[in-house]
Amino acid sequence: SQQGEEDPQALSIQEGENATMNCSYKTSINNLQWYRQNSGRGLVHLILIRSNEREKHSGRLRVTLDTSKKSSSLLITASRAADTASYFCATDEEGGSEKLVFGKGTKLTVNP
Amino acid sequence: DTEVTQTPKHLVMGMTNKKSLKCEQHMGHRAMYWYKQKAKKPPELMFVYSYEKLSINESVPSRFSPECPNSSLLNLHLHALQPEDSALYLCASSQRNPYQETQYFGPGTRLLVL
Repeated sequence: SQQGEEDPQALSIQEGENATMNCSYKTSINNLQWYRQNSGRGLVHLILIRSNEREKHSGRLRVTLDTSKKSSSLLITASRAADTASYFCATDEEGGSEKLVFGKGTKLTVNP
Repeated sequence: DTEVTQTPKHLVMGMTNKKSLKCEQHMGHRAMYWYKQKAKKPPELMFVYSYEKLSINESVPSRFSPECPNSSLLNLHLHALQPEDSALYLCASSQRNPYQETQYFGPGTRLLVL
């Protein structure tokens, strides 16, 4: 079953611009995570935000969580060509099973 | 050491072959996972091992057989696969609690079934 749904599916920007990706989910959650995947490689964890948190920062990354709207956003500031990758949100299901469910992902291309 | 290693990186097999994928971590993590990822799709959970015991099997066909010989190793035994099983197979681990913690992923094994 799919929990998270990213928007947009694809995003193309110029180096130096900011990139915003959104994730919506269906059920209550304990936490939401964002992962990055370079083409054909493993996923790299970026940030975890808990359901009682509203905003979290890590370097050039800013994540927000709105549990009333069941949505999250990932902002990458001052993007670089190396940020080109697919970005996935992943959620658990509050009171549910042990598994993490990934959204469809946003393919970000940062043009030099 | 925050690395999850997977071997082989690439695998081509026929539908009658038996092969195994291997995954190893030395972070002391007690939860390990197998995911399957098709092109342009998100990873889909296959199996979860928690403290070396299978805790989740996502209704995966029996031609996929997981094994956790010890807390550092995770294998996925493959037998009589179908062409639609071609995908990137990802192994991951987390410290203890599968859904409340960061998962560390290996680079994956790209499998082609002919």
